[in-house]
Amino acid sequence: QQPVQSPQAVILREGEDAVINCSSSKALYSVHWYRQKHGEAPVFLMILLKGGEQKGHEKISASFNEKKQQSSLYLTASQLSYSGTYFCGTFYVWADSWGKLQFGAGTQVVVTP
Amino acid sequence: SAVISQKPSRDICQRGTSLTIQCQVDSQVTMMFWYRQQPGQSLTLIATANQGSEATYESGFVIDKFPISRPNLTFSTLTVSNMSPEDSSIYLCSVAGDRTDTQYFGPGTRLTVL
Repeated sequence: QQPVQSPQAVILREGEDAVINCSSSKALYSVHWYRQKHGEAPVFLMILLKGGEQKGHEKISASFNEKKQQSSLYLTASQLSYSGTYFCGTFYVWADSWGKLQFGAGTQVVVTP
Repeated sequence: SAVISQKPSRDICQRGTSLTIQCQVDSQVTMMFWYRQQPGQSLTLIATANQGSEATYESGFVIDKFPISRPNLTFSTLTVSNMSPEDSSIYLCSVAGDRTDTQYFGPGTRLTVL
């Protein structure tokens, strides 16, 4: 089941902050965040694992609330290079079988000078 | 992270023909995946390419339409068969160390079917 991302789009001025949310109806094993610029491949930003382990990108942070089955990506002091479409991918594990990485619909971020 | 290349980077094809897309990685990887991204849409998993065995297809995707090969741990191909305009998309391969690990994407193949 596809995770739900919000907002669909956000416009920022350089230096402003934004939060992108990703929620799931299922218990999550991990959440993966990617950024895709127009005409390019998705680029890995961050993975958040069940149990609180976090890996990440140097200037973008994220949180993972396992109870709420939600993750949030924080764009702080945004730069022009932050523009692009952000996708969250969620990974479920159930019973003895492994799931698959499922991507949200994406959040388009535009940072203006 | 691994360096991933895809060929061709783009192609324009006629209806009814087939196109084979190659994905090459510069190091051995356990997992290789194929995704489709339709214009303005998210990423949809087509199949997991298994080395030495048949690919595992997701619901809505079948082997006759999207045959996949993975002869070794660094290479895979995806064929889009009997193409129609609805197959116009970006096709991406991705790799991972294991099933739950971070996936890294290749540059993609932009396919237009006329």
